[in-house]
Amino acid sequence: DTGVSQDPRHKITKRGQNVTFRCDPISEHNRLYWYRQTLGQGPEFLTYFQNEAQLEKSRLLSDRFSAERPKGSFSTLEIQRTEQGDSAMYLCASTPAGGYRDGYTFGSGTRLTVV
Amino acid sequence: AQSVTQPDIHITVSEGASLELRCNYSYGATPYLFWYVQSPGQGLQLLLKYFSGDTLVQGIKGFEAEFKRSQSSFNLRKPSVHWSDAAEYFCAVGESGDDKIIFGKGTRLHILP
Repeated sequence: DTGVSQDPRHKITKRGQNVTFRCDPISEHNRLYWYRQTLGQGPEFLTYFQNEAQLEKSRLLSDRFSAERPKGSFSTLEIQRTEQGDSAMYLCASTPAGGYRDGYTFGSGTRLTVV
Repeated sequence: AQSVTQPDIHITVSEGASLELRCNYSYGATPYLFWYVQSPGQGLQLLLKYFSGDTLVQGIKGFEAEFKRSQSSFNLRKPSVHWSDAAEYFCAVGESGDDKIIFGKGTRLHILP
């Protein structure tokens, strides 16, 4: 098991473009979380999945953001019409079915820069 | 609503000195408390967690934390820091019945040689 993988590690995009990030969780983990971390802040919850079902979305997740987890395996996070305020580190984490109580396993993140 | 406060944005200690990072929380029910560490360019790694029982919990890398209900605190300690401990440290809280954890803003630890 190689842990939680995120791709790409870095993404630079022009304002108004669409971007998509991928997260591959630990294979036996049922839950997958997305967080966003801006400079000087802690991670902020965006959304999470139990298998393929998206069970909760934060108010931070505007209608330009969409996340999917087809077949309950990897997940994608898409941002449409990117804005400079979307520049951040996007973190993915996974846990077994019991949730966060054993702690999240995080990926290394995708750093998005919108220019 | 849950919240986590880490009062110190930056902490500087000398190598070999003791360390205490502060964390205060508010919660509605039974808290689940965590400390994570983030090294530059890396994801977050779990140091330790507290749910119940002994209020002094041991973690990895020689860290420990103490839960004090009366003070709503969960401070992280290490008796002697090493240069490799330089990183950002996040306190986090989850609440029974909720499915996510909330993070504080973090404390950046600097180590003087």
